[in-house]
Amino acid sequence: DIQMTQSPSSLSASVGDRVTITCRASQSISTYLNWYQQKPGKGPKLLISVASSLQTGVPSRFSGSASGTFFTLTISSLQPEDFATYYCQEAYTMPLTFGGGTKVENK
Amino acid sequence: EVQLVESGGGLVQPGGSLRLSCAASGFTFSSYDLNWVRQAPGKGLEWLSYISTTGDTRYYADSLKGRFTISRDNAKNSLYLQMNSLRAEDTAVYYCVRDRASSGWAYWGQGTLVTVSS
Repeated sequence: DIQMTQSPSSLSASVGDRVTITCRASQSISTYLNWYQQKPGKGPKLLISVASSLQTGVPSRFSGSASGTFFTLTISSLQPEDFATYYCQEAYTMPLTFGGGTKVENK
Repeated sequence: EVQLVESGGGLVQPGGSLRLSCAASGFTFSSYDLNWVRQAPGKGLEWLSYISTTGDTRYYADSLKGRFTISRDNAKNSLYLQMNSLRAEDTAVYYCVRDRASSGWAYWGQGTLVTVSS
């Protein structure tokens, strides 16, 4: 099974900060990597698919990139509505796996 | 508008069974692969199972050890998850999710809470 190692597990940041979250796959998954945002009491929201494709309606301050088995989600300028938990997900093969999540908190 | 509405959750004793349902609307149900995903309280997301459009192909998380069965009824626009031999660690919110993971999961249900406790 593919393991997804997501880091950090939590971070504190302020509005306007640049935030970077990474995921490392235990083996090659090409660019089959999705990013989700989840707020308390809500279901996950798809932000980015296939590593870097921004979903319709998602602000352009969110971006994704890939380098080999390393994937990055970047929020260029953190906004108040961005405080949430973020998950990566490999979509390459079964069983599908998620990263452990990154909670972005207000400093 | 795409809608996925889960039902069937509730309190069940350890060792018991439960059948979750997901009623879909707003799209051609028979054209989409589907999945179940769960989230234990305060924990991360865990993919459980996948079913293809016709139901011919199904996958499960290793952790389920054959206790859960996914199925669908395209005539009723419904997805199901039969859960047997339930354990405390199965306590979670269970989500119905549309599409293959390679497309990204844009459509999720609101979730249904399953609590396994005596």
